[in-house]
Amino acid sequence: NAGVTQTPKFRVLKTGQSMTLLCAQDMNHEYMYWYRQDPGMGLRLIHYSVGEGTTAKGEVPDGYNVSRLKKQNFLLGLESAAPSQTSVYFCASSYVSNDEQFFGPGTRLTVL
Amino acid sequence: GQQLNQSPQSMFIQEGEDVSMNCTSSSIFNTWLWYKQDPGEGPVLLIALYKAGELTSNGRLTAQFGITRKDSFLNISASIPSDVGIYFCAGQLQDSGNTPLVFGKGTRLSVIA
Repeated sequence: NAGVTQTPKFRVLKTGQSMTLLCAQDMNHEYMYWYRQDPGMGLRLIHYSVGEGTTAKGEVPDGYNVSRLKKQNFLLGLESAAPSQTSVYFCASSYVSNDEQFFGPGTRLTVL
Repeated sequence: GQQLNQSPQSMFIQEGEDVSMNCTSSSIFNTWLWYKQDPGEGPVLLIALYKAGELTSNGRLTAQFGITRKDSFLNISASIPSDVGIYFCAGQLQDSGNTPLVFGKGTRLSVIA
């Protein structure tokens, strides 16, 4: 099992550009999550999904959109990137909401 | 917003020393989990706790679910250089349905050989 994978690993964008981060899990988990991690801020939840076809806002959803068209994939989109979105993005998945979340290796995004 | 207070924010310790960190809240939690994040990687689960008063060990690590259900601590005994990293607590609030875990801001541990 690959667990949770994220693509790409690194990306540099110019302000105003758009991009999509892909998360995939092969554990048949219902729940999937997108976090951003900034120095001193810990992990902040952007959006999450409780099952295929569902999405919900987390703590810091502004500027991001998500889609869960297939159970194994959770996409995070930035329509118009801003320097404030420079961060490390982590995807995670879990079987139920109060159980262990398995994290991907992260995507380091820089917006110039 | 932030509902978990994790302390300390950072620690510098000598190799061989014991380490203690904790998470507290004004709210009641059903579940407490402790994660470790190595530099450049995603967090990995260390210990999960599901009952008030539960004390669980994983090698040199010991974690407890507080009796009040509002706190949890993690102890590391006889620290070694590979203990370096960021430690996160996470929990699920009581009666929160299927909402996600709440994460603390992390404790950054540095071990001096």
